[in-house]
Amino acid sequence: QVQLQESGPGLVKPSQTLSLTCTVSGGSISSGGYYWSWIRQPAGKGLEWIGRIYTSGSNYNPSLKSRVTISVDTSKNQFSLKVSSVTAADTAVYYCARSVTGAAGNFDYWGQGTLVTVSS
Amino acid sequence: QTVVTQEPSFSVSPGGTVTLTCGLSSGSVSTRYYPTWYQQTPGQAPRTLIYNTNTRSSGVPDRFSGSILENKAALTITGAQADDESDYYCVVHMGNGIWVFGGGTKLTVL
Repeated sequence: QVQLQESGPGLVKPSQTLSLTCTVSGGSISSGGYYWSWIRQPAGKGLEWIGRIYTSGSNYNPSLKSRVTISVDTSKNQFSLKVSSVTAADTAVYYCARSVTGAAGNFDYWGQGTLVTVSS
Repeated sequence: QTVVTQEPSFSVSPGGTVTLTCGLSSGSVSTRYYPTWYQQTPGQAPRTLIYNTNTRSSGVPDRFSGSILENKAALTITGAQADDESDYYCVVHMGNGIWVFGGGTKLTVL
C-alpha cells in the first residue's frame, strides 16, 4: 500500500521560502509511470494544483511557476516543494499526491496534508 | 488564463438525482481534457470518484457517473444519500502537463 507523508515547518515568515518534503513508502518514487504532485488548499477554499515531477521532467502551474521548484531525492524516496517569496496568500494546507500515466488527473494516493501558515 | 467553472452550491433531496458540471470560462470541455472528479469531506484529503471523463475509481458506487454534457464535464449522482453531502471538485488537463481545478461545488442533501 502506497503512503505519502508531508513534513516541514508549519510557520514561515513573509518573503521567506516555504519548504516541504513528501516521503513515499510502499513503492519506489523512481519507478516510471507515475507523477508526483503538490496541491494546496487555503482554509475554506478550493484546491489548487501547484505542480508535479516525474522521471523525465516537471510541470508547474503558470500562476506559480516563477516562485515554485519541485525536486526529487530518489535515495530517500522523497520529493520536495519550495515556494519562494511567500505572502499570506500562500497560507494553506499543502498535500502531496501521486497519479499514474494514462490517468494523470487521478490523484489516487494523497498525504494527510500539512498546514503552512505565513505570518511574521 | 482559462478558469474552470463549477456551480458554487447545489442541493438535492435524499433519493434524488443531481448533475454537477465542470466548464471552462473560454471554450468547451471534451474528453481530451481528461476531466476527473473528487469528493472531499471536511478535514480529509479528496477522494477520486471519476477519472478520464467516465471511469469510476475503485470502490466508488455505481450511482456516481461521469459524462460530457453540453460542452461541460458532468458528474451525476443517482439516488443521493445523506453521506453524499460533501464538496465536489473537478480537475482538467489544460495541455502541456498543466492541471487546473474548478472552484468546487458544495452539495447539500436535504
